[in-house]
Amino acid sequence: AQSVSQHNHHVILSEAASLELGCNYSYGGTVNLFWYVQYPGQHLQLLLKYFSGDPLVKGIKGFEAEFIKSKFSFNLRKPSVQWSDTAEYFCAVKDTDKLIFGTGTRLQVFP
Amino acid sequence: DADVTQTPRNRITKTGKRIMLECSQTKGHDRMYWYRQDPGLGLRLIYYSFDVKDINKGEISDGYSVSRQAQAKFSLSLESAIPNQTALYFCATSDFGTDTQYFGPGTRLTVL
Repeated sequence: AQSVSQHNHHVILSEAASLELGCNYSYGGTVNLFWYVQYPGQHLQLLLKYFSGDPLVKGIKGFEAEFIKSKFSFNLRKPSVQWSDTAEYFCAVKDTDKLIFGTGTRLQVFP
Repeated sequence: DADVTQTPRNRITKTGKRIMLECSQTKGHDRMYWYRQDPGLGLRLIYYSFDVKDINKGEISDGYSVSRQAQAKFSLSLESAIPNQTALYFCATSDFGTDTQYFGPGTRLTVL
């Protein structure tokens, strides 16, 4: 079965800093990959997803992620974070007929 | 997002009590899921259902049961609650073929 690793558990940044959150999945083949965001006190919302095609995926709020098949990775990036990006970020991979989520990365952005 | 609703939003109960958490959706999706979220552990799948007659165990189904009363309703029960079931519980839905899941607002359950 698939598994997902998010190595950054807690990231602290200042506004305008660049962001990269790591996500690795366990084995190859055809993969469907997702990033979800959970703002404080809210439910999870989809940021972006990759099913096929262009490995650079653009999502909402200026986020993007790059699928690198050779590295089994799907890292999330944003060139300049804002205070409002403070949230928990979850990477997920489709495994047969369900999603497997990573343990999440908590991002704190200070003004 | 009012498309997926969960009741109650918060619940405090005692060890040994039976608890039911309810989920309703107006998205018209066939697939529904129950997850629990614990700090540092992310989201773990408890049960999922692809239609009214289909129920599947997830990663951590022990101590839980579910009922899919209708396409739009999926309830999670804790037959005899224990303190390590204290967590945030999320319901989610998805449409066949898309895999994108839409989440409810969550139920914070505390078992004393």
